Amino acid sequence: EPEVTQTPSHQVTQMGQEVILRCVPISNHLYFYWYRQILGQKVEFLVSFYNNEISEKSEIFDDQFSVERPDGSNFTLKIRSTKLEDSAMYFCASRAGTGDEQYFGPGTRLTVT
Amino acid sequence: AQKITQTQPGMFVQEKEAVTLDCTYDTSDQSYGLFWYKQPSSGEMIFLIYQGSYDEQNATEGRYSLNFQKARKSANLVISASQLGDSAMYFCAMREGRVLFSGGYNKLIFGAGTRLAVHP
Repeated sequence: EPEVTQTPSHQVTQMGQEVILRCVPISNHLYFYWYRQILGQKVEFLVSFYNNEISEKSEIFDDQFSVERPDGSNFTLKIRSTKLEDSAMYFCASRAGTGDEQYFGPGTRLTVT
Repeated sequence: AQKITQTQPGMFVQEKEAVTLDCTYDTSDQSYGLFWYKQPSSGEMIFLIYQGSYDEQNATEGRYSLNFQKARKSANLVISASQLGDSAMYFCAMREGRVLFSGGYNKLIFGAGTRLAVHP
């Protein structure tokens, strides 16, 4: 069964460093999303992406964040200069062109020290 | 204002019994979607079940069913015949508005979750 994959599963970085979180959505899906979940809290929407551009972003998604689909399969989230409060689980999700269901990847746990 | 409310921070159930996890939502849109996800201790988010606001019948997927009461704005998840492997965090989520093919306005808004413990 096709699934969303994410790498790495866990990333530890120092404050101020840049990180790139990678996702491979389900192959025929057209819509891509990033969410994050701070430990013990609810899942929060960051950004949605379609047709090679951002379609919506939350107030969390400030200038330190960017997304890219560099080729036909990968979807990346970059945090330019990480802060302690960026420590969270980051989930990538994808949705087909029809249907409403969003399928999540296993997440990348980002720890900023 | 809370869009998705899950009032039960924790629930426990005996193995093989049924359990209902509550979810109420708040929206003024006529078209919306409701989702339930399971998050085991390993952290991944597993899609369980979906209900569209115009769906006449309650959604079912195996042992999961969604008790959709539109007038009350509730979308409770019912798990029948609980298994030990059902122990996890369960999140209710909503997609507001019409699904746009431009991709916008399709974000999911999540509730705070309910932690379910299944006891043998």
